[in-house]
Amino acid sequence: AQSVTQPDIHITVSEGASLELRCNYSYGATPYLFWYVQSPGQGLQLLLKYFSGDTLVQGIKGFEAEFKRSQSSFNLRKPSVHWSDAAEYFCAVGAIGGYNKLIFGAGTRLAVHP
Amino acid sequence: DADVTQTPRNRITKTGKRIMLECSQTKGHDRMYWYRQDPGLGLRLIYYSFDVKDINKGEISDGYSVSRQAQAKFSLSLESAIPNQTALYFCATSLYGNTGELFFGEGSRLTVL
Repeated sequence: AQSVTQPDIHITVSEGASLELRCNYSYGATPYLFWYVQSPGQGLQLLLKYFSGDTLVQGIKGFEAEFKRSQSSFNLRKPSVHWSDAAEYFCAVGAIGGYNKLIFGAGTRLAVHP
Repeated sequence: DADVTQTPRNRITKTGKRIMLECSQTKGHDRMYWYRQDPGLGLRLIYYSFDVKDINKGEISDGYSVSRQAQAKFSLSLESAIPNQTALYFCATSLYGNTGELFFGEGSRLTVL
């Protein structure tokens, strides 16, 4: 069965520091992978997605993620965090032909110190 | 105006009451979903619909029902609410062939006392 693990429930970084949020997935074939962000009181917004091709994908707001098949990982990175990046981040996996039924991780809540 | 609108945004109710959460969208998408968010559990799929005549159960459909009244409207009902249905509920939409991107409403926070 598909599953997504986000090992870090909470992460705190200083503004301007680099960020890496971890995501590991379990899936028997090549998955579709996503990162969504949820700002307080808001719905989820897509940051980036991976389907195939280049394993380093660029997203909105300066985020990027790298797909590593050998590690079943899809970690999210940003070189310099801004205070406005404080939010909850969700990794999700979808099946090819799975009709957009995404399986979400439990989320990582990011706090940014000034 | 939001492309995916959920009503109500907040609701407090009592055990045993019937509750309906409504979702409407102006994106013209054919697929609609209801997810439930609980702290530490992420989002779990309750029901999904690929068109007006299609309804499918997700991973946690027990205690819930849905109705797809039109392409743009998808409602979630709790026939007899119980406290462990206290959660944040999200409606989402997607377009066939759009390879997975979901568009979410702002959520409906339900508290069952």
